Amino acid sequence: RKEVEQDPGPFNVPEGATVAFNCTYSNSASQSFFWYRQDCRKEPKLLMSVYSSGNEDGRFTAQLNRASQYISLLIRDSKLSDSATYLCVVNGGLGGSTLGRLYFGRGTQLTVWP
Amino acid sequence: DAMVIQNPRYQVTQFGKPVTLSCSQTLNHNVMYWYQQKSSQAPKLLFHYYDKDFNNEADTPDNFQSRRPNTSFCFLDIRSPGLGDAAMYLCATSRDGRGAGVDTEAFFGQGTRLTVV
Repeated sequence: RKEVEQDPGPFNVPEGATVAFNCTYSNSASQSFFWYRQDCRKEPKLLMSVYSSGNEDGRFTAQLNRASQYISLLIRDSKLSDSATYLCVVNGGLGGSTLGRLYFGRGTQLTVWP
Repeated sequence: DAMVIQNPRYQVTQFGKPVTLSCSQTLNHNVMYWYQQKSSQAPKLLFHYYDKDFNNEADTPDNFQSRRPNTSFCFLDIRSPGLGDAAMYLCATSRDGRGAGVDTEAFFGQGTRLTVV
C-alpha cells in the first residue's frame, strides 16, 4: 500500500469555481501534512501546512481528519493562475522505518479555464 | 535569494558514464533529501541525511549513492546511468524531519533534469 494516495484528476474547472482535492495516508503516526504546488517542469513549492485540524489562507483551506487519515484542499474562486499540480505530502512520523521521511502523493492536476 | 541550489540545472550524460549532481543550502537545515521524479509521477524518495546519519530507501538501486561532506552540501552520484534513470532529481531540506510542525517543512531546489543518451 502506498504511503500517500491521491486522485490524479485531471480536474478542469472554470474561473470562479470551487474545487476540492482529497488525499489519504497510511501511517497513523504521521504528524505533519502539507500541500505543495508544482508547476510544469518546476520544483514543488509549499502551499499550506496542516498540523492540527485545519488551516485557511485566503482562498485556500486545508483540513485534516486523523480518524479517517485523510487531508483535503479546498480552493475557492479559482483563478487561471491556480492551474498546476497539487501534491499531498505526509511526514512519516516520529519512529520506525518511516522516521523523518516525507512521502508524496502523485499529485492532482488542476486546469482552470476562462 | 535561492536557499537550496542545485547544479547543474540540466545534465546530459552518456549511458554508463558516472555523473554527480550537487545540492547546497544556506538554511543550515539538518535534513537533506534526494528525490527522483519522472514525468507525471510523484517524487520518489531515494535517501535522506539527518545530519550525518544516512538513510537509504529499501528500493533505491545500488547504482545511486550519496555523500554529505558537510551541513551545506549533498551530492547524488549515479555510478552507471541507464536510460531509465532519466528524470528530474530534486534536492530538499528541512530543519528537523524527525520533529513536528514547521520543522518538517521541506524546501526544494529547482531540480536537475538528467538526460541519458
